[in-house]
Amino acid sequence: GAVVSQHPSWVICKSGTSVKIECRSLDFQATTMFWYRQFPKQSLMLMATSNEGSKATYEQGVEKDKFLINHASLTLSTLTVTSAHPEDSSFYICSALDKVVNQPQHFGDGTRLSIL
Amino acid sequence: SQQGEEDPQALSIQEGENATMNCSYKTSINNLQWYRQNSGRGLVHLILIRSNEREKHSGRLRVTLDTSKKSSSLLITASRAADTASYFCAPCQGGSEKLVFGKGMKLTVNP
Repeated sequence: GAVVSQHPSWVICKSGTSVKIECRSLDFQATTMFWYRQFPKQSLMLMATSNEGSKATYEQGVEKDKFLINHASLTLSTLTVTSAHPEDSSFYICSALDKVVNQPQHFGDGTRLSIL
Repeated sequence: SQQGEEDPQALSIQEGENATMNCSYKTSINNLQWYRQNSGRGLVHLILIRSNEREKHSGRLRVTLDTSKKSSSLLITASRAADTASYFCAPCQGGSEKLVFGKGMKLTVNP
């Protein structure tokens, strides 16, 4: 089945550091990728929609300068949390949508980000 | 995009029993998707049922869709401890539409 690889799976860093998370579709082409954030015991909250070759569409309340998204190819999207602070600590999950119509989203395994 | 509402929000059963969870939504859809999330992991796609389908099976999973009632159900038969997870439904109007997730249903299967 379709596989989405998300890297890293866990990162701990100091406040003020910028952290890049990668999301790759391994065996299909994804024109659209999505980035979610999940706090403990809560549901996934969509942060942004990333389209290959164009600017990402951010959900209301998500700072685009804080969460930089780049979707440079049909198999790779990156999320960079800039100048991360403890309140940015969360579980970040990406998903990728096959360009074939009516296919489900395929999710990465998530990245646990802990900012000290 | 619309959010599905899962019911119940939590269910605890014994291994071997069946588990049923329901999903309601508000506007017409192209398809409805069910996902599972194990603790600390990403979501795993379970099954997609299209609006012109009424029932679909995949292994121990059975999904029904009633578009007149705007509801779907997911039945897991002969549950196993490994089925312990949160389950989410995602009504979808098609295309490259974003999915909006509700609170999910937390299933605990006790060995």
